[in-house]
Amino acid sequence: DAMVIQNPRYQVTQFGKPVTLSCSQTLNHNVMYWYQQKSSQAPKLLFHYYDKDFNNEADTPDNFQSRRPNTSFCFLDIRSPGLGDAAMYLCATSREQVWGNQPQHFGDGTRLSIL
Amino acid sequence: GIQVEQSPPDLILQEGANSTLRCNFSDSVNNLQWFHQNPWGQLINLFYIPSGTKQNGRLSATTVATERYSLLYISSSQTTDSGVYFCAVERVAGTASKLTFGTGTRLQVTL
Repeated sequence: DAMVIQNPRYQVTQFGKPVTLSCSQTLNHNVMYWYQQKSSQAPKLLFHYYDKDFNNEADTPDNFQSRRPNTSFCFLDIRSPGLGDAAMYLCATSREQVWGNQPQHFGDGTRLSIL
Repeated sequence: GIQVEQSPPDLILQEGANSTLRCNFSDSVNNLQWFHQNPWGQLINLFYIPSGTKQNGRLSATTVATERYSLLYISSSQTTDSGVYFCAVERVAGTASKLTFGTGTRLQVTL
């Protein structure tokens, strides 16, 4: 089945140790998104890619970076994780909006813990 | 930015009961999605509904865009309906869409 796949489902890292989360998709969508969801809060958009064009939200900390080497894969890099970065990270994809109403499709998320 | 409020924040139902969840938003939007986040954190798309009414089994949704609200109806609730329900409003930004999520309604269905 076509889908959005996030690995791993659970990730533990140490305070200050760089960590990378991955997302892949078989939907061949142009747009990929990363959201952060802290405990008991709603998901919040960090950034998105339209093809290789990167779009950062204004309030996304510099500690968060992203890479999209090809259409299928997108990575979230956290350069120096702090305790406040512990959260669920959700990846989503959509077709470009020029095609009309295009819903976002979400992966199952990666739950990140910081020791 | 746009504000999205959901009510009630918490809801406890006995299995078999019906409920209505509400989503209010502060500005015009291109679209609206309803999601169910299960206890394992998976975000499941329920409806993509810019206006009008849609039904899917025991669930239905109505969006009145001119009055800036949407309703999600759950009939004959089951324990598997437990979790958090989010509405998210969509605004198109170039070729992408930006979702702003509501505050969520946490639903617990008991036997």
